[in-house]
Amino acid sequence: EADIYQTPRYLVIGTGKKITLECSQTMGHDKMYWYQQDPGMELHLIHYSYGVNSTEKGDLSSESTVSRIRTEHFPLTLESARPSHTSQYLCASRSHSEAFFGQGTRLTVV
Amino acid sequence: AQKITQTQPGMFVQEKEAVTLDCTYDTSDQSYGLFWYKQPSSGEMIFLIYQGSYDEQNATEGRYSLNFQKARKSANLVISASQLGDSAMYFCAMNTGFQKLVFGTGTRLLVSP
Repeated sequence: EADIYQTPRYLVIGTGKKITLECSQTMGHDKMYWYQQDPGMELHLIHYSYGVNSTEKGDLSSESTVSRIRTEHFPLTLESARPSHTSQYLCASRSHSEAFFGQGTRLTVV
Repeated sequence: AQKITQTQPGMFVQEKEAVTLDCTYDTSDQSYGLFWYKQPSSGEMIFLIYQGSYDEQNATEGRYSLNFQKARKSANLVISASQLGDSAMYFCAMNTGFQKLVFGTGTRLLVSP
């Protein structure tokens, strides 16, 4: 049973606004990930974390930033949203043999 | 560099038949894990099955089984007795020594009545 949650599920926001996408898990997993995915396309890793106070950039360059102050919480922030940021953002956490995703946030920047 | 390749953009299968979705991987790590996910049109990613590189037996979970051929670096997903609800995108993924979880480009499966 996956206990990983993302909020909001959908977000429509104006250009230039600051936004934070929330991701929380109660499974005690150290490793967490953020992916960006356009509809029907592949997932691109934008950030990941080994544990508290560790964050790394992924394979796809992103203007977003992340933090990992607590094991269960891995928020993603965009300081100034642009239409090019419109996409789905998926958060995941992993143990050795399982990796679960949240329901995703569909972001639209107008 | 670690890489996952899914060469089938789309697959069609009739209800109640079995289907194999291909996945090959490239890594220099000795220890790694392989994952399969289902993504329906609603967008969520559903974890299906996991295979560790040192696991001697192929993983199975209900109607899903993983045909793991280490020498060929392949980890194909077999879905037995397909159902209409199996229509979705399917992604193969691998965890690496650097703790990344990398994905293939996906295969769209369509199950027809």
